[in-house]
Amino acid sequence: GDSVTQMEGPVTLSEEAFLTINCTYTATGYPSLFWYVQYPGEGLQLLLKATKADDKGSNKGFEATYRKETTSFHLEKGSVQVSDSAVYFCALSDRGDSSYKLIFGSGTRLLVRP
Amino acid sequence: GAVVSQHPSWVICKSGTSVKIECRSLDFQATTMFWYRQFPKQSLMLMATSNEGSKATYEQGVEKDKFLINHASLTLSTLTVTSAHPEDSSFYICSARVGRQFNQPQHFGDGTRLSIL
Repeated sequence: GDSVTQMEGPVTLSEEAFLTINCTYTATGYPSLFWYVQYPGEGLQLLLKATKADDKGSNKGFEATYRKETTSFHLEKGSVQVSDSAVYFCALSDRGDSSYKLIFGSGTRLLVRP
Repeated sequence: GAVVSQHPSWVICKSGTSVKIECRSLDFQATTMFWYRQFPKQSLMLMATSNEGSKATYEQGVEKDKFLINHASLTLSTLTVTSAHPEDSSFYICSARVGRQFNQPQHFGDGTRLSIL
């Protein structure tokens, strides 16, 4: 079945450092890929998405490129801020599943220190 | 746009009572809503898919008589935890998808923290 694998956290960075959170997937069909962010005590917010190979999703300085050849969708940001501290979830939705439910990775906690 | 409102945000109640959680799509119609459960520092576990006007589809291992889902309109789905016990304490999150396409994102409510004493 479909699955999403994320790098283990927590990831601890200093402010203005470069961020990469790795995400790889397995899917039987042609999935759409998403990154969601969860701040403490809150639900999830859509950060960015990509719906086909080589698409680049971007938002708030974050970006991720849909790489079909490596089945990856790594999240990057050039300069993180303390306010970026949160849990980040990679997810996919596969057209092969009629319910189009999201398959989530385990989440990666990011802590940015001043 | 695409705002999902969840209510209540926090509820504490005694063991044996039933608790209803509401999930509303405020500015769009949602034919499909999803209910998740999240344990501390873990990922989201899909409990069920709620379809407007029909029965919910529950994931394997989720007790449908324990977690009653009603999706009576295109903007409202409810989850009722019946005869709640301490092991039901958790963070419950709903989401709704705009449109019917698989490449449309789900939009999430802010979650409900349920504590059963």
